Amino acid sequence: LAKTTQPISMDSYEGQEVNITCSHNNIATNDYITWYQQFPSQGPRFIIQGYKTKVTNEVASLFIPADRKSSTLSLPRVSLSDTAVYYCLVREGSSNTGKLIFGQGTTLQVKP
Amino acid sequence: DTAVSQTPKYLVTQMGNDKSIKCEQNLGHDTMYWYKQDSKKFLKIMFSYNNKELIINETVPNRFSPKSPDKAHLNLHINSLELGDSAVYFCASSRNTGTSGTGEQYFGPGTRLTVT
Repeated sequence: LAKTTQPISMDSYEGQEVNITCSHNNIATNDYITWYQQFPSQGPRFIIQGYKTKVTNEVASLFIPADRKSSTLSLPRVSLSDTAVYYCLVREGSSNTGKLIFGQGTTLQVKP
Repeated sequence: DTAVSQTPKYLVTQMGNDKSIKCEQNLGHDTMYWYKQDSKKFLKIMFSYNNKELIINETVPNRFSPKSPDKAHLNLHINSLELGDSAVYFCASSRNTGTSGTGEQYFGPGTRLTVT
């Protein structure tokens, strides 16, 4: 059964690196893997997007293995303001008509 | 200069009523979406419009009907509201990336719908 899954919650301390993995075993061949951040009472906000291998921007890195059946969002040196819910988003099935599926979200709690 | 805006932000109504939520984007994007986020924070796509044409129609009740008068607007009309429709509804937009897949989506602030 195709499913996009993430850990429900994670705890970390300020200054640590946090890695959140999403499993997506039925990802469409041609589509990106995208990660979003959501704060309470706000809409999700784009963090990073990638297709394969590694992508890095000013806030995060995204690691994607060759089979693309999972991806890992890496947040370097988290701060209290990184406390939020993190979602992966993939397209499952066909590249053109497959469903867009969000993972169930990982609530990251950063402690001082 | 809000990129994606939704109105209203809060909507409280009774069962059986008909209501609409409006969405506008000023990013010049080709594709717009409606998502539903339930009380457990699960996000599910409802509809997607690309250049005013419906390209995804998830298995939502036909009481929900998206309407796109132009590329910058995608409104959501809901008939005969039910208790289970209570949720936060998000509008989003993205650039059409063609065969490269789904581009970065910009989300609106959400509309919290409460059906009593």
